[in-house]
Amino acid sequence: EVQLVESGGGLVGPGGSLRLSCAASGFTFSTYSMNWVRQAPGKGLEWVSSISSSSSYIYYADSVKGRFTISRDNAKNSLYLQMNSLRAEDTAVYYCARSHSSGWNDYWGQGILVTVSS
Amino acid sequence: DIQMTQSPSSLSASVGDRVTITCRASQGITNYLAWYQQKPGKVPKLLIYAASTLQSGVPSRFSGSGSGTVFTLTISSLQPEDVATYYCQECNSAPRTFGQGTKVEIK
Repeated sequence: EVQLVESGGGLVGPGGSLRLSCAASGFTFSTYSMNWVRQAPGKGLEWVSSISSSSSYIYYADSVKGRFTISRDNAKNSLYLQMNSLRAEDTAVYYCARSHSSGWNDYWGQGILVTVSS
Repeated sequence: DIQMTQSPSSLSASVGDRVTITCRASQGITNYLAWYQQKPGKVPKLLIYAASTLQSGVPSRFSGSGSGTVFTLTISSLQPEDVATYYCQECNSAPRTFGQGTKVEIK
């Protein structure tokens, strides 16, 4: 059974940093691209970042470029999102999602809440 | 970047009604389109991929069609458990933009 479990969320002040982790199991993690998708309270889904299976290709939404860094450790079956210079508008539930080779997200984690507030 | 526009933003229909949601891409994406269902307080769930292929386990009352720039999600007979917000997503290239969502309610 495919499982994706996010951790590392919480409350942080504006300008602060957080590192999200996503532990993957039930599939061969090293062969899949992975994504982070977020959802602000009461709002729609927003794609944040993608990383290819071998980390060769990395993409970011303009809203987080230069502040967030996606990475992965295939030996540990883990995906990460380092979030720096956090802003109030980054407040959201962050989902880790597995990406099919053609781009759609076929499995999602339960999500982790990040709150940026003083 | 490709923009995705869904319509309507919300709808209310009766049980058994046929419901159609439209998603328009600002440029052609062939069939690189997915539809997701998100029930209140729940995780998004993949319904349809490649514009028209039903994900395993999804009821057959859901269907998708379209290619290029215009896509539709149809629920042939709306059920109470279909109350949710539905999102399209272009999967052609980064950024993998989502539509703004369509909230479906029962009248």
